[in-house]
Amino acid sequence: QKEVEQNSGPLSVPEGAIASLNCTYSDRVSQSFFWYRQYSGKSPELIMSIYSNGDKEDGRFTAQLNKASQYVSLLIRDSQPSDSATYLCAVRGSSGGYQKVTFGTGTKLQVIP
Amino acid sequence: NAGVTQTPKFQVLKTGQSMTLQCAQDMNHNSMYWYRQDPGMGLRLIYYSASEGTTDKGEVPNGYNVSRLNKREFSLRLESAAPSQTSVYFCASSERDRELEQYFGPGTRLTVT
Repeated sequence: QKEVEQNSGPLSVPEGAIASLNCTYSDRVSQSFFWYRQYSGKSPELIMSIYSNGDKEDGRFTAQLNKASQYVSLLIRDSQPSDSATYLCAVRGSSGGYQKVTFGTGTKLQVIP
Repeated sequence: NAGVTQTPKFQVLKTGQSMTLQCAQDMNHNSMYWYRQDPGMGLRLIYYSASEGTTDKGEVPNGYNVSRLNKREFSLRLESAAPSQTSVYFCASSERDRELEQYFGPGTRLTVT
């Protein structure tokens, strides 16, 4: 089992809809989670973090964390064509002095005008 | 602030040639990272440096060496390039103990023929 799993997509949603991106992780003691966005041909960029169970909202983005079920989600409300990108889930592990960060392979989102 | 810069942006090497990828950050971050990104494989950590003067192997270190020249600069060297090292290479940096919040450079697209 991969440490961090994401559906590669593409996930296609119409403009204005809610896009739901999911990520599951295997290390039960993982404490910290981050979402990155990567446009085609560009480098990953930070979107938002979540550390506690529940929802965290930042503008049109909502991160959801369920540690019991070991999944983290990213909801994008009122999706725009400019949201079309690959979204990477990053999970911070718990072993050793360096807190290992594992990235998922990403879910490609396509927002259709 | 330039953030994280990488040179070169593109490079084509023949098998067996060597080269050094350069990375510099101006955010006064202690931690720096080198990743490679391949289709379907996600971001894989090659080496990281938690602070000036220290380096550690990541997930895929074979065939690479690194130098943390000073706090700003972290270079990646391919001593004898192989076609399997064809990839996009990203350098990133973060504050100490904030490994999830990584800032990425624009990447180097390397092709080994």
